[in-house]
Amino acid sequence: SYVVTQTPHMSVAPGKTAGITCEGDNIGEKNVHWYQLRPGQPPSVVMYNVNDRPSGIPERFSASKSANTATLTISGVDDGDEADYYCQVVDLDNDQRLFGGGTKLTVL
Amino acid sequence: HVQLVESGGGVVQPGASLRLSCGGSTFDFHNHGLNWVRQTPGKGLEWVSYISEDGTYDFVTDSVKGRFTVARDNFQSTMSLQMNSLRPEDTAVYYCTRNRAGGSYDLWGRGTLVTVSS
Repeated sequence: SYVVTQTPHMSVAPGKTAGITCEGDNIGEKNVHWYQLRPGQPPSVVMYNVNDRPSGIPERFSASKSANTATLTISGVDDGDEADYYCQVVDLDNDQRLFGGGTKLTVL
Repeated sequence: HVQLVESGGGVVQPGASLRLSCGGSTFDFHNHGLNWVRQTPGKGLEWVSYISEDGTYDFVTDSVKGRFTVARDNFQSTMSLQMNSLRPEDTAVYYCTRNRAGGSYDLWGRGTLVTVSS
């Protein structure tokens, strides 16, 4: 079965750039979405269809993917970005809708 | 106010059944595929089920096949998840989500907690 892997933890100083990765075989051929999860709140999408940004999400958030890795990049990190981030890999032709294990982003 | 609202969670013993409901309001409910996604402390987010706009196509993740069934009623703007033979590992917050083209979820409910414990 398809496996999606994320680094469990990441720490970044304020103002620096966080690169959260999501690895999976041939992920470059699939659609990837990113969700932010804060304690006590439902998840919310921060990037979808690889690099589309919902209204209200700042331009500091961007995303990309290569053959086997998708990356969510948050530039100029601030305290409000501290959260868990999940990638979701979607392959509708094969009915795949898998989440990665999540990355807990800590702002130092 | 565009929203999804889940209900039906609770504490049950292993082997019991539970039926979750999701109500949608203030949007074109019948034009969206819907999902159940669960969140557990140990495993994070897990997609559970999908049902198409008209309810003619649905499927569930392997770990709940044969135990969970998803359905929808577009006249009532509701979706349900019938959960049978519940196991401790089914303990989670269950979210109802709305599909956007491309498979992302642009609207989430606030979730309902299911606890399976003896």
